[in-house]
Amino acid sequence: AQSVTQLDSQVPVFEEAPVELRCNYSSSVSVYLFWYVQYPNQGLQLLLKYLSGSTLVESINGFEAEFNKSQTSFHLRKPSVHISDTAEYFCAVSERGSQGNLIFGKGTKLSVKP
Amino acid sequence: DAGITQSPRHKVTETGTPVTLRCHQTENHRYMYWYRQDPGHGLRLIHYSYGVKDTDKGEVSDGYSVSRSKTEDFLLTLESATSSQTSVYFCAIRLDTGITEAFFGQGTRLTVV
Repeated sequence: AQSVTQLDSQVPVFEEAPVELRCNYSSSVSVYLFWYVQYPNQGLQLLLKYLSGSTLVESINGFEAEFNKSQTSFHLRKPSVHISDTAEYFCAVSERGSQGNLIFGKGTKLSVKP
Repeated sequence: DAGITQSPRHKVTETGTPVTLRCHQTENHRYMYWYRQDPGHGLRLIHYSYGVKDTDKGEVSDGYSVSRSKTEDFLLTLESATSSQTSVYFCAIRLDTGITEAFFGQGTRLTVV
């Protein structure tokens, strides 16, 4: 069965510092990988996704994630965070060819301090 | 926002009462999902649908039922609400254009007292 592990439940950082949010998954088949972001009292928004091809994917607001098949990881990074990046981040996986059901990690709360 | 509307946005109900949450989409995509979000658990799939009258169970389906009589509406029913069903419920859709990610509604906060 698929599962997603987000190793840190909370990550506090100072503004302009780099950050890495870790995500590992387990699956016996090929998968698609996603990072979603949730701002307070809102729904989830797609941040970035890996479907195939280049293992490094980027978002429009400076986040990037790298798919590492051998380590079954999809860590999210940003070289310099802003106060506005404060949110909860969820890693998710779905099997290729499936009904599109997403399996989520438990989330990581990123808190950016001035 | 992929045209997803959830109603109600907030509800307080008593233990043992039935509750129905509605998810409406404006674009008639096949795949619709219901998730619940709880602190420390992330989002967990309750039920999903891949067409009118075509539904299936997810990871945490006990105590929930769904119906989809029209493409645009996906209803989640708690037959007899319990305090353990206090949660935030999210509806999601997957577009029919081959895009793999899901788009989420704004959520319904349900409190069972």
